[in-house]
Amino acid sequence: QQPVQSPQAVILREGEDAVINCSSSKALYSVHWYRQKHGEAPVFLMILLKGGEQKGHEKISASFNEKKQQSSLYLTASQLSYSGTYFCGTEIGSNDYKLSFGAGTTVTVRA
Amino acid sequence: DAGVTQSPTHLIKTRGQHVTLRCSPISGHKSVSWYQQVLGQGPQFIFQYYEKEERGRGNFPDRFSARQFPNYSSELNVNALLLGDSALYLCASSLEAPYTEAFFGQGTRLTVV
Repeated sequence: QQPVQSPQAVILREGEDAVINCSSSKALYSVHWYRQKHGEAPVFLMILLKGGEQKGHEKISASFNEKKQQSSLYLTASQLSYSGTYFCGTEIGSNDYKLSFGAGTTVTVRA
Repeated sequence: DAGVTQSPTHLIKTRGQHVTLRCSPISGHKSVSWYQQVLGQGPQFIFQYYEKEERGRGNFPDRFSARQFPNYSSELNVNALLLGDSALYLCASSLEAPYTEAFFGQGTRLTVV
């Protein structure tokens, strides 16, 4: 079952912050975050495994609350290069060879 | 280092025809996954192969099949094409599977007319 992402779209000015949420109706083993720019392939940002860890990638970080079956991606002090569509992908088990992606959140950062 | 390569990049087929899409993973990667991405939506999982065995299958009809070769490259086959099969088909490779970083190719844009 696909995770649900919110919001669908967000517009930011450079330097502003944003949060993208990803929730699942099933217990999650891992959450993956990818960014896809128009006409390009998705690019890996980070993976969070069961255990509530938090990771960071430059000024982009994420958290994983396994009890709530939710993950959040934090864009801090956004840059123009952060524009794109962000997808979360979820796996429901340690032997689950199926990565289910949400519908995506389109982020537009303006100067 | 070469990334994930897919061929062809674009393809136009007629309804009812058959198509074969190809993917070469990053050297050393043993896992290949296939996704279908319709404009404006997230990638939809079709198959995952690891060490030449099918390890996962998404909710796609039996018209979709795939295989992984001894050199870890992969083919996705779609029979009896429908208009609704028009999409970007993405291949992703990873070192291991599951829950590891996946590297996507640029995709094959399939148009069914």
